Amino acid sequence: AQSVTQPDIHITVSEGASLELRCNYSYGATPYLFWYVQSPGQGLQLLLKYFSGDTLVQGIKGFEAEFKRSQSSFNLRKPSVHWSDAAEYFCVGNDYKLSFGAGTTVTVRA
Amino acid sequence: ETGVTQSPTHLIKTRGQQVTLRCSSQSGHNTVSWYQQALGQGPQFIFQYYREEENGRGNFPPRFSGLQFPNYSSELNVNALELDDSALYLCASSSLLQGGGTGELFFGEGSRLTVL
Repeated sequence: AQSVTQPDIHITVSEGASLELRCNYSYGATPYLFWYVQSPGQGLQLLLKYFSGDTLVQGIKGFEAEFKRSQSSFNLRKPSVHWSDAAEYFCVGNDYKLSFGAGTTVTVRA
Repeated sequence: ETGVTQSPTHLIKTRGQQVTLRCSSQSGHNTVSWYQQALGQGPQFIFQYYREEENGRGNFPPRFSGLQFPNYSSELNVNALELDDSALYLCASSSLLQGGGTGELFFGEGSRLTVL
């Protein structure tokens, strides 16, 4: 089945440290890929998206993601985490419908 | 603010009852999709509507049904509610891309359904 997988259920990172969230996809062709963030009590917000072209994608809030076809990956990164980045992060793939990964919970410690 | 509004925000039902959830799409979007997010899990695709017709469905039984209206607003109906239907139901609007994929989705804040 075409899908995305997030191997890490929970990540704890210190404020100011770098963050990388992993995402692997299994699609025959290059899918549209997204990263969404869901903060407690809030709706899903798009961080960034990849449709085609440049494989390094810049998003909001200082996030970026790199599409690597050879590794079937679309990992999300942030160089320096802020306490407000504590949230649930979803990698999402789309051919004709959206498939969400299970999500990675990010905890930020002071 | 995404421009997608859902109602009601919270509701409680009992097993066997029926529920209708509503969604107003963002202006200019012709596609609406619905997702079920159980506690601690990622959203699961229920179905998608494009120009008032269902054009994609996930692994949900027929008692989950929907409608899209000419103004692109939408309803999700669930009949014969079961305890496992307790979840956050998310609506998202978008525009269908050439090639059939869905572009960026704009999500509402959801309707939290509790089935007792």
